[in-house]
Amino acid sequence: GNSVTQMEGPVTLSEEAFLTINCTYTATGYPSLFWYVQYPGEGLQLLLKATKADDKGSNKGFEATYRKETTSFHLEKGSVQVSDSAVYFCAPGGGNKLTFGTGTQLKVEL
Amino acid sequence: GAGVSQSPRYKVAKRGQDVALRCDPISGHVSLFWYQQALGQGPEFLTYFQNEAQLDKSGLPSDRFFAERPEGSVSTLKIQRTQQEDSAVYLCASSLSVDNQPQHFGDGTRLSIL
Repeated sequence: GNSVTQMEGPVTLSEEAFLTINCTYTATGYPSLFWYVQYPGEGLQLLLKATKADDKGSNKGFEATYRKETTSFHLEKGSVQVSDSAVYFCAPGGGNKLTFGTGTQLKVEL
Repeated sequence: GAGVSQSPRYKVAKRGQDVALRCDPISGHVSLFWYQQALGQGPEFLTYFQNEAQLDKSGLPSDRFFAERPEGSVSTLKIQRTQQEDSAVYLCASSLSVDNQPQHFGDGTRLSIL
């Protein structure tokens, strides 16, 4: 089955700082890759996705590129805001299920 | 409604009681998924339906867990003889189909077993 490794959190940044959250995965074949975000007390929201190698997913200033050669899907944002504080999950999707890691908590301070 | 709706939002039960958690998916979504999320962890897959057919229940932790979707729309996750280790947030998701379509999640039901 699929598995995913994300960088440990919490990640604490000042507002307007550059964000990188690393994600590497193992999978059978070439699954679609997703980033989900979870705000406190809420369910997961789809942030972005990429369906094939070299695809770049982007949304709300976040972006991630599907790197087949390194089996990675790192999340980046050029300038974070306090409202970006949440837990971020990288998830390869294969067939009928998503596989989640433990997530990376992001805290953005003024 | 526009999104996946789950009820109740919170459920407290005594150990040994049975509980039922409801999921109302996005209208027209063929696929429905249940996940269990323990505190501080990522969601873990429990089971999957395509229309009314339960095609994968490999993630259900024991035979105390049972899920159904009799008419291919609303789904219920039932846990019998609850145990303390069942305490978690139960998330439901739906998608248009299976093939690499994004799953849309509800806000979850937080289950606490005393």
